[in-house]
Amino acid sequence: DAGITQSPRHKVTETGTPVTLRCHQTENHRYMYWYRQDPGHGLRLIHYSYGVKDTDKGEVSDGYSVSRSKTEDFLLTLESATSSQTSVYFCAISAGRSGTDTQYFGPGTRLTVL
Amino acid sequence: AQSVTQLDSQVPVFEEAPVELRCNYSSSVSVYLFWYVQYPNQGLQLLLKYLSGSTLVKGINGFEAEFNKSQTSFHLRKPSVHISDTAEYFCAVSDRNTGNQFYFGTGTSLTVIP
Repeated sequence: DAGITQSPRHKVTETGTPVTLRCHQTENHRYMYWYRQDPGHGLRLIHYSYGVKDTDKGEVSDGYSVSRSKTEDFLLTLESATSSQTSVYFCAISAGRSGTDTQYFGPGTRLTVL
Repeated sequence: AQSVTQLDSQVPVFEEAPVELRCNYSSSVSVYLFWYVQYPNQGLQLLLKYLSGSTLVKGINGFEAEFNKSQTSFHLRKPSVHISDTAEYFCAVSDRNTGNQFYFGTGTSLTVIP
């Protein structure tokens, strides 16, 4: 257990509304990640962070933004949710000093956009 | 960037039979390799990892995997499966020299038949 929590765990929202998902860690890890999981696609990286205020895009970043103002929190924002963003979202941390070390995952957030 | 291929999307196997889940990746240069398991409605848990040293890696729950550099493969094996092994399995690769991220396969759904 790497002390990762995600909130909310479930959310239903309507198309066009903004949504923010929160990832919180308790162990001061430098690297944090947001993934989405969809059937047939496995896990795809949305954004990641390598320190406070330091973020970079992943494979599927369009329509998403992130912020990291504190080491322990990494926020994922859907500025205007669309039905294609219905998915399960996972937060992860990297256990080592680099982003290539073992990743540990949170429990996930199931988001439904109607 | 790396790419990871899990050729078998679904693998049914009878209880107590052996199983192999296949994973191939695109480049053998300086990689770390991982297998994760995901039980229904849960996050991903680390099964095992290869960072360096012996090419045969043992993990939790009786699973093992072998790193084959020449074939760029990291296949997961278990000599005798149990009902409780029914889950989704993901192979992941990180590039030691250039990366801050993981690359995941699309997953293999293992179903153990009583």
